[in-house]
Amino acid sequence: QVQLVESGGGVVQPGRSLRLSCAASGFTFSAFGMVWVRQAPGRGLEWVAVTWNDGRNKHYANSVKGRFTISRDNSRNTLYLQMSNLRAEDTAVYYCARLSGGGLVLAEYYSDYWGQGTLVTVSS
Amino acid sequence: DIQMTQSPSTLSASVGDRVIITCRASQSISTWLAWYQQRPGKAPKLLIYQASSLESGVPSRFSGSGSGTEFTLTISSLQPDDFATYYCQQYNSYSITFGQGTRLEIK
Repeated sequence: QVQLVESGGGVVQPGRSLRLSCAASGFTFSAFGMVWVRQAPGRGLEWVAVTWNDGRNKHYANSVKGRFTISRDNSRNTLYLQMSNLRAEDTAVYYCARLSGGGLVLAEYYSDYWGQGTLVTVSS
Repeated sequence: DIQMTQSPSTLSASVGDRVIITCRASQSISTWLAWYQQRPGKAPKLLIYQASSLESGVPSRFSGSGSGTEFTLTISSLQPDDFATYYCQQYNSYSITFGQGTRLEIK
């Protein structure tokens, strides 16, 4: 069965960096685009970043552009989110999720499987 | 970015009720809309994609409709498991956006 397991969350000081990982199993990882979505405490869902199945194309939310980098290692079935210059407003549960297809067309940009999330707290 | 506005923000209903949640887009998104259910402390779950297509394994009491800028999620007969928060998501552009959520409460 499809499984997505996030890791790497924790408490980090403002201005520092953190890398999240998402280990995928139960499907052909290299065939699917992937996204990161976050949810601040008590708030709604916010899309963060998306990558095509082959990692060649990526898009970011304006709120994280220039600070966060999404990447993937298809040989390790793992998705990453490198976060730098973190701010208090980045505090959230970060979910990785699978797109319904490779990500090359907008019709595939909804998520049919989600991980359970990892909490990132930015605080001094 | 395309803004998505859900109404109501909170909805109180009873088991067996029929409920409708509305999602409006700030510009036309054709039918590129998905609906998710999120229970407290859990990850979102896909219910509906392309505005009206039911995801495999989702009960048929859930249905979606709409196109352009106005969309609805209908639950035909509420069950105890349905009390949760519901989000719409547009995917008409690479800048994916979600609605703010509708919390469905037990009356």
